[in-house]
Amino acid sequence: EAAVTQSPRNKVTVTGGNVTLSCRQTNSHNYMYWYRQDTGHGLRLIHYSYGAGNLQIGDVPDGYKATRTTQEDFFLLLELASPSQTSLYFCASSDDWGDSQNTLYFGAGTRLSVL
Amino acid sequence: AQKVTQTQTSISVMEKTTVTMDCVYETQDSSYFLFWYKQTASGEIVFLIRQDSYKKENATVGHYSLNFQKPKSSIGLIITATQIEDSAVYFCAMREGGGGYKVVFGSGTRLLVSP
Repeated sequence: EAAVTQSPRNKVTVTGGNVTLSCRQTNSHNYMYWYRQDTGHGLRLIHYSYGAGNLQIGDVPDGYKATRTTQEDFFLLLELASPSQTSLYFCASSDDWGDSQNTLYFGAGTRLSVL
Repeated sequence: AQKVTQTQTSISVMEKTTVTMDCVYETQDSSYFLFWYKQTASGEIVFLIRQDSYKKENATVGHYSLNFQKPKSSIGLIITATQIEDSAVYFCAMREGGGGYKVVFGSGTRLLVSP
């Protein structure tokens, strides 16, 4: 069974603070994604990656950095957090092979509050 | 640029009836993949069903089926014999082919199934 683990599950920080959201997948997938979910907007793509060291810019990248350190680990960094980044963040992984090709497997989400 | 639009914000139906959720998409690619995902009340996001653009036959999985109308760039999700546990938010998503792996989502449709 595909597994994507996000940590922390909940995070509260102050405006201007630094935050790192972590995502680890044990699916041996090449692709990993970071989305934010806000009411009325659905899931919006922040950054995505194909393999360690690769990073692609999504549709709402402003204020976010990301790094894919290994095949398994993808991090989302907020270096100067702002209240507008208060959201529910999801990580997902997928790949091109197998019966579940192209299907996204999601983590449980991280709820971030920026005060 | 690829785009997915869900115009129905919420739908309410009675149990055991059939419901259709609409989704239209925009893409310049001739090859693409379309998906529907379900987000439960707990926040978990799971894959339901997919349609590959080159396939003419509508996909069916259990009591979920798709109405793929390629000339209209439309991919509707049909749930037959709805159950209380079908109450959730449903997201339409698209991934372009041609080597790209960006996946974008619509804003979601909330389904409430009443007894």
